Amino acid sequence: GEDVEQSLFLSVREGDSSVINCTYTDSSSTYLYWYKQEPGAGLQLLTYIFSNMDMKQDQRLTVLLNKKDKHLSLRIADTQTGDSAIYFCAESRRDSSASKIIFGSGTRLSIRP
Amino acid sequence: DVKVTQSSRYLVKRTGEKVFLECVQDMDHENMFWYRQDPGLGLRLIYFSYDVKMKEKGDIPEGYSVSREKKERFSLILESASTNQTSMYLCASRGTATNEKLFFGSGTQLSVL
Repeated sequence: GEDVEQSLFLSVREGDSSVINCTYTDSSSTYLYWYKQEPGAGLQLLTYIFSNMDMKQDQRLTVLLNKKDKHLSLRIADTQTGDSAIYFCAESRRDSSASKIIFGSGTRLSIRP
Repeated sequence: DVKVTQSSRYLVKRTGEKVFLECVQDMDHENMFWYRQDPGLGLRLIYFSYDVKMKEKGDIPEGYSVSREKKERFSLILESASTNQTSMYLCASRGTATNEKLFFGSGTQLSVL
């Protein structure tokens, strides 16, 4: 995924908070997404945020958007072993004829006991 | 629930073979996408289609073509498979509203020997 960047790995202790960061470059992106991919499965949408919002909270998930710095983060509170997965940041870009979704490289979250 | 079905979970082909990857969605979505997923590179967009018989190149279209003869079906074609096309291929679909989320199939792991 061009221009959407994430670190590849994150390791946290069970019960701690996980923070996964992402930077993007297209300031005209209207929606930014977080997807989760568990081993052997396709991607599932976790949450998304509209570009005119700063924050969105959904149970244990908090998304923060800094539009000035083009920085998006996903915080998972009270991280559990079931949160082990690859997390993809993605942005919606309008092309000439349709909008397409551009993904980052994914961050593999592993949980330590 | 939206269902995006990819015809094969695993596929093994030989170099030079013509390969068809099929994807069907049941939600009358206008937009369909083909991505490939490689470790450390995330998801990269190969082709997408915003209507029947309409297609657009993504970021890495070389060596691939697509076909969208019916709204529900989007096929990815490798005219002459090469070993560097060994990858996980993910199909996705979404509607036309800007906040429509992307629904993914479970993927096809293609190995080219």
